[in-house]
Amino acid sequence: AQKVTQAQTEISVVEKEDVTLDCVYETRDTTYYLFWYKQPPSGELVFLIRRNSFDEQNEISGRYSWNFQKSTSSFNFTITASQVVDSAVYFCALSESYQLTFGKGTKLSVIP
Amino acid sequence: DTGVSQNPRHKITKRGQNVTFRCDPISEHNRLYWYRQTLGQGPEFLTYFQNEAQLEKSRLLSDRFSAERPKGSFSTLEIQRTEQGDSAMYLCASSLGPQYFGPGTRLTVL
Repeated sequence: AQKVTQAQTEISVVEKEDVTLDCVYETRDTTYYLFWYKQPPSGELVFLIRRNSFDEQNEISGRYSWNFQKSTSSFNFTITASQVVDSAVYFCALSESYQLTFGKGTKLSVIP
Repeated sequence: DTGVSQNPRHKITKRGQNVTFRCDPISEHNRLYWYRQTLGQGPEFLTYFQNEAQLEKSRLLSDRFSAERPKGSFSTLEIQRTEQGDSAMYLCASSLGPQYFGPGTRLTVL
């Protein structure tokens, strides 16, 4: 069975600090996808990134970066120079077929 | 570019009533998904369509729940004889690759 664990329930940082959101997953498959979604206070889930299990290359997109390590089954998300608009709940998710299995989310509060 | 839309956005109903939600996916997406999200939790998968065929159903989808996608475009999710435990946000997503989510329908069962 697949499982996603986001151990950090809530994190608060001061604006401009860097913050890393942790994600650990469990799967028996060798082929799978990992995702991050953002859910701002408005409620709509916003897609951020998808990585497949064969691509361990780290990725950077503006202030966002992702570190995928198969050896530790982790797919961590770092926000550099955080901003108030980054305040949201962030979900990590895993897909072996088509359905997504989500973690419980990490609520990030960026304080001005 | 039109995203996934869901109607209604909010629904309040009394226990025992039937409710129906609608999802309009992104037009070229052939896959459509329904999820349910309760407070403080991540979304949980309910069911999945490829075109008009319903290919997967979660054990969460009791026999009071039914979903259709009759022409492979929009989808409906019906809950019969609603219970207070059905109160949640019902999310629809569509995809060719990554899943893109709609704004959700918040159901409150009194």
